[in-house]
Amino acid sequence: TQLLEQSPQFLSIQEGENLTVYCNSSSVFSSLQWYRQEPGEGPVLLVTVVTGGEVKKLKRLTFQFGDARKDSSLHITAAQPGDTGLYLCAGNFGNEKLTFGTGTRLTIIP
Amino acid sequence: NAGVMQNPRHLVRRRGQEARLRCSPMKGHSHVYWYRQLPEEGLKFMVYLQKENIIDESGMPKERFSAEFPKEGPSILRIQQVVRGDSAAYFCASSPPGQYEQYFGPGTRLTVT
Repeated sequence: TQLLEQSPQFLSIQEGENLTVYCNSSSVFSSLQWYRQEPGEGPVLLVTVVTGGEVKKLKRLTFQFGDARKDSSLHITAAQPGDTGLYLCAGNFGNEKLTFGTGTRLTIIP
Repeated sequence: NAGVMQNPRHLVRRRGQEARLRCSPMKGHSHVYWYRQLPEEGLKFMVYLQKENIIDESGMPKERFSAEFPKEGPSILRIQQVVRGDSAAYFCASSPPGQYEQYFGPGTRLTVT
């Protein structure tokens, strides 16, 4: 059974600060997705990474996939209150089903 | 292009009743997945279907749960004789063939009283 660990579990920072959250696995990902989930809603796909060492940018969000494809990070620059939410990483391990991490609950304080 | 649609958004059932959850995938998506999110827990895979075929049901409880994705119409997740432990948010996701990305619907929140 593959396990995804996300850290930190909770993060509360001031508006304008930078932050990084992490996703780690003991197994190699075929692909990895990052999602954001608001209360009462479904996860919204932010990005998919497939290639080891890959870096993708989405406005103030930077996603990095580890060279060995066993870890990933999400960096947010100049956080805004609208970034508040639950950030989930999810990976494929050689098949179509996604294994989800437990999430990082991010709060940005105005 | 409408997103993944799920209905109902909220469903209340008494113990022993049946629950039917519906999912319409995004246009052009032939792959459907069901996930369950228990209170204070992460999303867990239940079943993966293509049109008229169950591809992977390794996450489905062996009893009372079934899923289908007919040639016409939405995918259905059916829970028979519901128990309190079935109370959860059930999410459907869809993807086009050959792609990793899965797009999620808003979920159905099932409450068993």
